[in-house]
Amino acid sequence: EVQLVESGGGLVQPGGSLTLSCVVSGFSVSNNYMSWVRQAPGKGLEWVSIIYTDGHSYNTDSVKGRFTISRDNSQNAVFLHMNSLRVEDTAVYFCARVQAGDNYFDPWGQGALVTVSS
Amino acid sequence: ETVLTQSPATLSVSPGERAILSCRASQSVSSNLAWYQQKPGQAPRLVIYGTDTRATGSPARFSGSGSGTEFTLTISSLQPEDIAVYYCQQYKNWPLSFGGGTKVEIK
Repeated sequence: EVQLVESGGGLVQPGGSLTLSCVVSGFSVSNNYMSWVRQAPGKGLEWVSIIYTDGHSYNTDSVKGRFTISRDNSQNAVFLHMNSLRVEDTAVYFCARVQAGDNYFDPWGQGALVTVSS
Repeated sequence: ETVLTQSPATLSVSPGERAILSCRASQSVSSNLAWYQQKPGQAPRLVIYGTDTRATGSPARFSGSGSGTEFTLTISSLQPEDIAVYYCQQYKNWPLSFGGGTKVEIK
């Protein structure tokens, strides 16, 4: 069964750091594009970051220089390292597999809530 | 950036009736458009990709159409389990982007 399970969310102060994990079962992260998508409370979806099978990654402009996506093939997991967090980064962060070549998302994890507040 | 505008924001439909959701792109996305269903407290689920291809597990009452800048998701006969927010997403241009969503509710 394909499953994506996020963890690592929580409350952090502005300027702080947090790392989200997404442990995958049912397929290999090494053979798939993976991405993070976030959803602020009561708002819509926003693509955040993507990592390709060759290791290249891209971020949306609002998180460039602050967020880094990575993966660990031995753990079959993907990570989102978040630094210099801002109040506006408060959201549920979803991990999702990306359809290679087409860049749509399927399936998704259940999400991890990140709250940035003093 | 490609902006996707969804309309209406809320759609009230009687059970068994047709629901038509619209997604308009600020520039052409060719046929690179997907639709997702999100129920309260749940993750989004892929419903349609490539404008008109149903994802695995999507019922036949869901259909997609359009090209370029105008797209439609149609639910031919609304069922109670279809109550959700629906998002369109384009994957033609960078950055990847989503529409603001259409909430489908029972009339």
